[in-house]
Amino acid sequence: GESVGLHLPTLSVQEGDNSIINCAYSNSASDYFIWYKQESGKGPQFIIDIRSNMDKRQGQRVTVLLNKTVKHLSLQIAATQPGDSAVYFCAENRGPGNQFYFGTGTSLTVIP
Amino acid sequence: KAGVTQTPRYLIKTRGQQVTLSCSPISGHRSVSWYQQTPGQGLQFLFEYFSETQRNKGNFPGRFSGRQFSNSRSEMNVSTLELGDSALYLCASSPGGAGEETQYFGPGTRLLVL
Repeated sequence: GESVGLHLPTLSVQEGDNSIINCAYSNSASDYFIWYKQESGKGPQFIIDIRSNMDKRQGQRVTVLLNKTVKHLSLQIAATQPGDSAVYFCAENRGPGNQFYFGTGTSLTVIP
Repeated sequence: KAGVTQTPRYLIKTRGQQVTLSCSPISGHRSVSWYQQTPGQGLQFLFEYFSETQRNKGNFPGRFSGRQFSNSRSEMNVSTLELGDSALYLCASSPGGAGEETQYFGPGTRLLVL
């Protein structure tokens, strides 16, 4: 039979612009979150993380914002580059221990 | 440090067979988690092993099992393979202690069931 895939949100940005990728999580008790980048044929790559006692964390060219009230995460990428083209996932940990649940992902395409 | 390694990278099996996948974590990491990634269901949590014990389990049937050895290496087994088990199987490792959940992924094993 025909297989039905997940509908993957897509985002296209011009090189040099800023990108914002959003994610809704489901469990209000989740206290740790990670953003991953996955390129075709590779495993997810760690980008940045945030704990629930914070609402903002910055890395190199990336910022994660956490809004616990509405269970929402966002990833901001500054000065987006062609190498940033990939699928981006947010993951919430429903531990204790490691029990990560992933969003459906967003496909980012950077136009040179 | 070397990253997470998974073997084999590619595998073809037929329905009804069983398969064992292997994962070597980052040196010093004691937690290994397994995930299944498919176009239809996305990335789904299978289970986590920590210090040779299953600590967390996702919502998969009993055909999916795993174990962890004293050196933290882990194996995952799928018995009585079904066509729907075709997927990319990913493992991730973390130090595993309290507040040490940051996990890093391996490249995955791509399993095709015919």
